[in-house]
Amino acid sequence: AQSVTQLDSHVSVSEGTPVLLRCNYSSSYSPSLFWYVQHPNKGLQLLLKYTSAATLVKGINGFEAEFKKSETSFHLTKPSAHMSDAAEYFCVVSDRNGNEKLTFGTGTRLTIIP
Amino acid sequence: GAGVSQTPSNKVTEKGKYVELRCDPISGHTALYWYRQSLGQGPEFLIYFQGTGAADDSGLPNDRFFAVRPEGSVSTLKIQRTERGDSAVYLCASSLMVGGRDEQFFGPGTRLTVL
Repeated sequence: AQSVTQLDSHVSVSEGTPVLLRCNYSSSYSPSLFWYVQHPNKGLQLLLKYTSAATLVKGINGFEAEFKKSETSFHLTKPSAHMSDAAEYFCVVSDRNGNEKLTFGTGTRLTIIP
Repeated sequence: GAGVSQTPSNKVTEKGKYVELRCDPISGHTALYWYRQSLGQGPEFLIYFQGTGAADDSGLPNDRFFAVRPEGSVSTLKIQRTERGDSAVYLCASSLMVGGRDEQFFGPGTRLTVL
């Protein structure tokens, strides 16, 4: 069985400061891991994905995440927050080759303080 | 229309009624997925199709839920005898193929409200 735990339901940061959204996973197989973002009234959009290549993954809009097997973590970071980053972020795991059923975390709501 | 589309965007129905939710995947995508997102939760997997066949329907909550994809493109999620607990946003996603490393592209969802 596979699962993800997003450690914070809500994160608030000031504009221009770093962002850290935490995620731990559990998987019986070598996992594929993803971060998706959901803006209000918009569809889910893929930010980045890890599929057993480089452990540091760069995504869109300046986000990146590092796969740490020893810590079973896949935290999402961004050096400098922008107002447009305010959204719901989901950490996601897939047990197979990265394209069958996805298991989502409960989400972290990111608020940016002007 | 380059993205996944879903209709209707909103559906309000009464308890006990039957509803159909439609998904149009990206042209050429062979894999299609349905997820359900309840308020304050992440999406939960329901079923996925490879072509016309349901490859995994383990996420369907009970036999009131059924989905079809007769021609390998458009899919319909059908819910019989709706209950208030079925209220959620139903999301559809498609990808180029199953078993690869292709991104799942999500539609905007259908918000179902059962009164």
